Amino acid sequence: GQNIDQPTEMTATEGAIVQINCTYQTSGFNGLFWYQQHAGEAPTFLSYNVLDGLEEKGRFSSFLSRSKGYSYLLLKELQMKDSASYLCAVTDSNYQLIWGAGTKLIIKP
Amino acid sequence: NAGVMQNPRHLVRRRGQEARLRCSPMKGHSHVYWYRQLPEEGLKFMVYLQKENIIDESGMPKERFSAEFPKEGPSILRIQQVVRGDSAAYFCASSPPTSEQNTGELFFGEGSRLTVL
Repeated sequence: GQNIDQPTEMTATEGAIVQINCTYQTSGFNGLFWYQQHAGEAPTFLSYNVLDGLEEKGRFSSFLSRSKGYSYLLLKELQMKDSASYLCAVTDSNYQLIWGAGTKLIIKP
Repeated sequence: NAGVMQNPRHLVRRRGQEARLRCSPMKGHSHVYWYRQLPEEGLKFMVYLQKENIIDESGMPKERFSAEFPKEGPSILRIQQVVRGDSAAYFCASSPPTSEQNTGELFFGEGSRLTVL
C-alpha cells in the first residue's frame, strides 16, 4: 500500500528553527509537495521537490532524498503566524497525490 | 484568473436531508478533486473527476455520496440523507491537464463546511 508518515504534532518557540519530517512509500514517485493549512482555511502551496537536495524559499526550505523516501520542511525564524498544519504529499506514478495526515505545529512565545 | 470557487461556504442540514456542494475549477483546469476534512484531522481523498468522467472514487463512501463533473457547469458533490457524521469541511481542488510540465500541484478552494444538526 501507499503510505505517508509525518509526526502528528510539534511544538517550537518563536524565533527558533523547526524541522518537520516526512517519509513515504508509494508506487512510483513524481514529486513531493509541502502545503500549509491554517485552522479553518484551505491548504496553500509551500514547496515542490522532484530532485534530491534542498530547495530554499525565504524562511522555508524543503529537502528530498528519493533513495531514502524522505523529505523534511525546515522553518527558520519562527513567527506566531507559522502556527498551522503542514501537509506532506507525494505524486505517484499515476500522478495521483497521496497525502500525509499533516503535522500540527504549535508556536509558543 | 479566479481561483477555485466553492459554494456554499457554510451549509446547515438536518439529518435525512440532502447536501449539494459545488466547485468551479480554475480556468483551464480539467481535473477536479474532492477531499473531506474532519476537525483536527488531515485531508481524506474522496474522488477525482475529469469532465464527464469519474477517474477514481476509491475514497467515496459506497452509499449516499455521489459526485459529478458535467460538460458544462461546476462539479457537484451530493450527499443524500445526511447524518451527523457527515459534518466536516469539504475541499475541492483542481489541477491542469497532466503533462511533463505540470508538477501535479493542486489549487484548493476555500472549502464548504457542512454542519448536520
